[in-house]
Amino acid sequence: EADIYQTPRYLVIGTGKKITLECSQTMGHDKMYWYQQDPGMELHLIHYSYGVNSTEKGDLSSESTVSRIRTEHFPLTLESARPSHTSQYLCASSPISGGSEKLFFGSGTQLSVL
Amino acid sequence: GQQVMQIPQYQHVQEGEDFTTYCNSSTTLSNIQWYKQRPGGHPVFLIQLVKSGEVKKQKRLTFQFGEAKKNSSLHITATQTTDVGTYFCAHNYGQNFVFGPGTRLSVLP
Repeated sequence: EADIYQTPRYLVIGTGKKITLECSQTMGHDKMYWYQQDPGMELHLIHYSYGVNSTEKGDLSSESTVSRIRTEHFPLTLESARPSHTSQYLCASSPISGGSEKLFFGSGTQLSVL
Repeated sequence: GQQVMQIPQYQHVQEGEDFTTYCNSSTTLSNIQWYKQRPGGHPVFLIQLVKSGEVKKQKRLTFQFGEAKKNSSLHITATQTTDVGTYFCAHNYGQNFVFGPGTRLSVLP
């Protein structure tokens, strides 16, 4: 079973608040990802990282930012949350293994912005 | 990016019936992966196919990669209520993963 952890599991906050969603993995994976997903719907890539000090924006425009100071940690920050940010945020990681990469997902953070 | 489409979007079956979801691309894929997401859960990797015409089985699940490597299918024989969830196909594109929109399966007992 994958060792990738997300906190908090659920978060309800008011508009305008700054929040950070935590994601940590203990597998030593270089690649990490953040996906946004409405219940049962498509996964949209919002950020990814190939390793320490590497961060890139994904396909879905997002007002969030990420950092990758340590291999195991890939937090996502929203400077000013809005109701349109209400969604599930899934963190994932993958090893670099020459064509056999697969994604390991965390349990997700369900964010509700009032 | 190299998008993939999935059909059907939704499927309701009676327990014991078979189920198939299809994944299609307009371009040749280097590989195809399948993930399952239970309601309220997170996607879990099921399998990866890389060879043209490849067929793999996991108990009641059969995965196939097309000869042209542009399509794939997942077939479940004799569905059970534990099969409920959304099935996503995905492929490794460059350094990233591109997911299909998913097929949501409901199994009526």
